Amino acid sequence: AQKVTQAQTEISVVEKEDVTLDCVYETRDTTYYLFWYKQPPSGELVFLIRRNSFDEQNEISGRYSWNFQKSTSSFNFTITASQVVDSAVYFCALSHSNSGYALNFGKGTSLLVTP
Amino acid sequence: ETGVTQSPTHLIKTRGQQVTLRCSSQSGHNTVSWYQQALGQGPQFIFQYYREEENGRGNFPPRFSGLQFPNYSSELNVNALELDDSALYLCASSLRLADNEQYFGPGTRLTVT
Repeated sequence: AQKVTQAQTEISVVEKEDVTLDCVYETRDTTYYLFWYKQPPSGELVFLIRRNSFDEQNEISGRYSWNFQKSTSSFNFTITASQVVDSAVYFCALSHSNSGYALNFGKGTSLLVTP
Repeated sequence: ETGVTQSPTHLIKTRGQQVTLRCSSQSGHNTVSWYQQALGQGPQFIFQYYREEENGRGNFPPRFSGLQFPNYSSELNVNALELDDSALYLCASSLRLADNEQYFGPGTRLTVT
């Protein structure tokens, strides 16, 4: 069975603060994929990153960085120097070939960045 | 923008009615997936179509059905609507079946009264 847990329901920070969104996953498969999506108020899910289970290298993209640790089954997302435009709901998701690569989403973390 | 379009944007239906939602995939994408997102929840996988055939299904009853056309556009049909079907319905396309990068459309907001 697959499961994605995002324990933080809502986070509120002041602009320029760093913020980390937690994601813990469960799967019995050795080959799987992890994702982060952003959902702004408009509703459209925006793809941020994909990681496969064999690549534990951390990744940085501008102000965004991701920390993948198989030992703790976590795939955390950090926004450095947050901005108001980062306000959105962020979803972590898991997929594997056995389920046709269907995305199994967590419940999301709502991030509010205030000026 | 992802190039995935959905119609209509919003829809209001009465319990017991039937509804059809439409999705146009990104150009060249042969795989489409549908998700249901209830308020305050993460999207839930409904089913996936690959080259006009259903390729996987989530935990949804048979009254949720779909079609994929030769141009890879897709429809989601829901019969005998229930109040709990009120949700945002998201369509996502990917370049090929084994491609994990799914690109989402803006969704259709369905309200069942």
